[in-house]
Order: sequence, then structure tokens, then C-alpha cells
Amino acid sequence: TQLLEQSPQFLSIQEGENLTVYCNSSSVFSSLQWYRQEPGEGPVLLVTVVTGGEVKKLKRLTFQFGDARKDSSLHITAAQPGDTGLYLCAESSGSARQLTFGSGTQLTVLP
Amino acid sequence: SAVISQKPSRDICQRGTSLTIQCQVDSQVTMMFWYRQQPGQSLTLIATANQGSEATYESGFVIDKFPISRPNLTFSTLTVSNMSPEDSSIYLCSFLPYGGYTFGSGTRLTVV
Repeated sequence: TQLLEQSPQFLSIQEGENLTVYCNSSSVFSSLQWYRQEPGEGPVLLVTVVTGGEVKKLKRLTFQFGDARKDSSLHITAAQPGDTGLYLCAESSGSARQLTFGSGTQLTVLP
Repeated sequence: SAVISQKPSRDICQRGTSLTIQCQVDSQVTMMFWYRQQPGQSLTLIATANQGSEATYESGFVIDKFPISRPNLTFSTLTVSNMSPEDSSIYLCSFLPYGGYTFGSGTRLTVV
């Protein structure tokens, strides 16, 4: 089972600031997913990246997949309080395609 | 998109008792997954439940402690047996429809 490391573990910023969250592995990802989880809810899929070097944008969120497919980043521009949540990267692997999650980044955006 | 209904949403239980968590999906799915999320932490896979066969458990999780049923393609249950305070966590079910994984809203379990 692959070990996915996320950094930072906690991030508290003011509204309007930019931030980047990182997800790294010692092994190559087949594909990588990013989720956001709010309190009392399950994780919600934000994006799936598949191709090395891929960049995807979702409004103020930009997702990058490393050329070697061993790392990924999530950049949020002009963060808003509604962006507050636990951000998780995850890889789908195994015969049943079960998800292995990263350690998570708890983001708090203060108004 | 497909919807998962998970219940109960939360419970407070006495140590030594058992709790059964239910997940209902509004479409037929082959695989369902059960995860545990300890407070402030990430998700850890407990087991994979395939309809018609025994669940496959991850390292550190055993059937006697976390029995799973999967009687049909839309329903699954996870039982947390002989609970101790260390079992206090959020338990989530998940499945993989077309378009990406979908999760239930979780069951927040507190064992006292």
C-alpha cells in the first residue's frame, strides 16, 4: 500500500490569501484524486488527475500533477471562508480500486 | 448522481455493546467500502464488501470485531462489536459509481 504524505497538516489563513497544499509519494501514482470534507459530511471529490504534468482548474482551485506522477499540489487563490475544510489526496489502487488517503490538510480561512 | 444514505448519523454507546451502521445506495453497485476516520485525521479503509462474498479486511481489522453484511447490491451494514472507547471514530461507507467515489455522510460514534 502506497504512503501518501500531505503538507502542511494544518493551515490557518485570512480571507483573500493564497495557499498551496502538497501530496507526495515515494511511488508513482496511477492517478490521484483530491477531496474536500466538511464537518459532519463525507469527502466530496474535487478532481481526478491522471497524466503527468496535468493541470486542472476548478474556479479558484488549481490542481497540478507532477511530471513523474509522484506528487501533486492544490493551489487556492483568494481563499474564502467557504473553502474551510479537510483536504485529502487519495489514490485508487488494488483489485477493488479501494482508495488510500493522504494524511490530510485541515484548512481554516478566517473572515 | 448516485446517493448514499447512512444511518445513524451519530450515537453514544456503552462499552461492551455493539452498534450496526447501515448504508443504502439508490443504485446497484458491486463494491462498497467501509472507512474509519479518527477525530481530526484522515480515512483508513476497514474493508471492501462485494455482494455475495465475504468482505475483505485490511490489516489491523478483523471480521469478529467489524462484521459486514452485503445482502444485495444496494445495501450494506457494518457492526462495531464489543466496543471500547478506542472505537470512538467516524465510520463512513463509500462506493464507486461512474464519475468518482461517493461517500455517506458518516456515523460519529462515541463510546463511553
